[in-house]
Amino acid sequence: GESVGLHLPTLSVQEGDNSIINCAYSNSASDYFIWYKQESGKGPQFIIDIRSNMDKRQGQRVTVLLNKTVKHLSLQIAATQPGDSAVYFCAEAGTALIFGKGTTLSVSS
Amino acid sequence: DTAVSQTPKYLVTQMGNDKSIKCEQNLGHDTMYWYKQDSKKFLKIMFSYNNKELIINETVPNRFSPKSPDKAHLNLHINSLELGDSAVYFCASTLGAGVNTGELFFGEGSRLTVL
Repeated sequence: GESVGLHLPTLSVQEGDNSIINCAYSNSASDYFIWYKQESGKGPQFIIDIRSNMDKRQGQRVTVLLNKTVKHLSLQIAATQPGDSAVYFCAEAGTALIFGKGTTLSVSS
Repeated sequence: DTAVSQTPKYLVTQMGNDKSIKCEQNLGHDTMYWYKQDSKKFLKIMFSYNNKELIINETVPNRFSPKSPDKAHLNLHINSLELGDSAVYFCASTLGAGVNTGELFFGEGSRLTVL
């Protein structure tokens, strides 16, 4: 069946480092993907999205890469800050958004 | 102004009780959703309504009944609560009929604890 998963449940980095969070998806027909950030006690918030006709999309300090050949997404966060500490989800658009299991990013200063 | 608001934020109740969670969005969106997030943070779609009509109904016990009085509101009623219903329930909305039309806006969540 369809599933969206993340490679690592936790990631710990030092402030100022670059972070890379990975995600694998299984539905090769998917054409829209979104990364969400969920801070403790809050709902998920949109970070960046990408459609399947693109390989890369950049936002402010974040970049999403899409490799359709291996069905892989990644979220890169430049100069990670303590405020980036959160759970990060990739989501794949189907009849509804299908979420992966989440990666907890911990940033230490 | 809160875009997607849910009440209550916290709910503690006994097994067997019936409870409701309310959701309202002021974004003018057409589609609303309920997601359940378990203790391992896994987010799973439960229901989706588009303009008051049910369009997604995942494998959810029929003790869960969503109701959409208008397109700005989607409430979730749960009968005969069980321990396994303990979770955080998130309401969300999108502009169009499907998620390909843009991002999903989430509420802050309603933490349900069944004792």
